[in-house]
Amino acid sequence: KQEVTQIPAALSVPEGENLVLNCSFTDSAIYNLQWFRQDPGKGLTSLLLIQSSQREQTSGRLNASLDKSSGRSTLYIAASQPGDSATYLCAVRLGNYGQNFVFGPGTRLSVLP
Amino acid sequence: DAMVIQNPRYQVTQFGKPVTLSCSQTLNHNVMYWYQQKSSQAPKLLFHYYDKDFNNEADTPDNFQSRRPNTSFCFLDIRSPGLGDAAMYLCATSRGPSGVYNEQFFGPGTRLTVL
Repeated sequence: KQEVTQIPAALSVPEGENLVLNCSFTDSAIYNLQWFRQDPGKGLTSLLLIQSSQREQTSGRLNASLDKSSGRSTLYIAASQPGDSATYLCAVRLGNYGQNFVFGPGTRLSVLP
Repeated sequence: DAMVIQNPRYQVTQFGKPVTLSCSQTLNHNVMYWYQQKSSQAPKLLFHYYDKDFNNEADTPDNFQSRRPNTSFCFLDIRSPGLGDAAMYLCATSRGPSGVYNEQFFGPGTRLTVL
């Protein structure tokens, strides 16, 4: 059974700092991995999608990498801003034909002005 | 803008009183999902539809049912809500067929309170 973990559970950094969020999964047979942002009491906003054949994806100040063989993904946020404060979740899609996604519990990020 | 819409945003029901949550999408995606998310926890997949094909997760309680009358709409029915069913319910869609564009898009969620 696929399990997804995220470390740390919470992170507090001063504004302007570069930071890395980690996502680990136990079964490397994934089809893709998606990073989301969730603001308190809101739905999930898609940030980046990495296919299993890709190593990284970039969008603005965000860069996500994927090492499928080791079961890891990282989300790098450059020059953090208070508006980046949110919970960040990763989710893996299981296999080529299944439609199921398994989520990690998230990392709660606070960027202090 | 193409989007996923959930109604209502906040729902209050009484213990044991049936409730229906609604989701609609303008993305024309094949797959629609329902997730349950409790405070500070990961979203938990309840079930999904691939077109009209219903796929239930093994550990989804029988108390939860779903209907998808057409491509655009999907409903979550909770037949007899218990206090433990209080949560955020998230609807999501994805394009479906194996391929590059299997990104999930989420609605804003419905916060369910059970009194």
